[in-house]
Amino acid sequence: RKEVEQDPGPFNVPEGATVAFNCTYSNSASQSFFWYRQDCRKEPKLLMSVYSSGNEDGRFTAQLNRASQYISLLIRDSKLSDSATYLCVVGSGNTPLVFGKGTRLSVIA
Amino acid sequence: NAGVTQTPKFQVLKTGQSMTLQCAQDMNHEYMSWYRQDPGMGLRLIHYSVGAGITDQGEVPNGYNVSRSTTEDFPLRLLSAAPSQTSVYFCASSYSATGVPNNEQFFGPGTRLTVL
Repeated sequence: RKEVEQDPGPFNVPEGATVAFNCTYSNSASQSFFWYRQDCRKEPKLLMSVYSSGNEDGRFTAQLNRASQYISLLIRDSKLSDSATYLCVVGSGNTPLVFGKGTRLSVIA
Repeated sequence: NAGVTQTPKFQVLKTGQSMTLQCAQDMNHEYMSWYRQDPGMGLRLIHYSVGAGITDQGEVPNGYNVSRSTTEDFPLRLLSAAPSQTSVYFCASSYSATGVPNNEQFFGPGTRLTVL
C-alpha cells in the first residue's frame, strides 16, 4: 500500500460548484497533514495545514479523520482560478514529508 | 527575501555528461531537499539534508550526489546523465524535515532537465 494515496482525477466541475478531495495515508503514527497546490509547470505551494479539529480558510475546508486515516479538502463556490493540482502531504515526525501524487482539478466556465 | 532559488531553469544534456543543479535559500532553514517530478509519479525525494554537513538519501538517490557545506546552499550533482533522469527537479527548504511541528516547505521554481 502506498504511503499517501489520492484520486488522480481529473475532477471537471463548473464554476460555483462544491468539490471534495480525499486522501488516505498508511502510517498511523503520522502527526502533520497539509494540502499543497501546484499550478501547471510551477512549484508546489502550501494551501493549508490540516488540524485535528478541522479548519477553514475562506472557501476551503480541511478535515482529518485519524481513525480512518484520511484527510479531505472541500472547496466551495469553485472559481476558474482554483484549477490546479492539489497535493496531500503527510509528516510522521521522524521521516521527511511524504507527498501524494496529486488530484487534478479543472473548473470550467 | 528571494526564498528558494534554483539555477538553471532549463538544461539539455547528452547521455554521460555530468552537471550540477544549484539551489540556495535565504531563510536560514536547516532542512533542504531535492525532489524529482515525473508525469504520473508525483514528487519523489532524491536526497535531503537536516543541516550543514549532514545529508541522507531519499526514495530515488541513485545517480545523484549532494553535499551541504553551508546552510544556504544544497547543490545536486548528476554524475553521468541518463535519459531516465529527464525530469523536473525541485529544491525545497523548511525549518523542519518532518513537518512537525506544522511548518511550511518552500519550493524553488524548478529545473527542467532533458537528457538526450
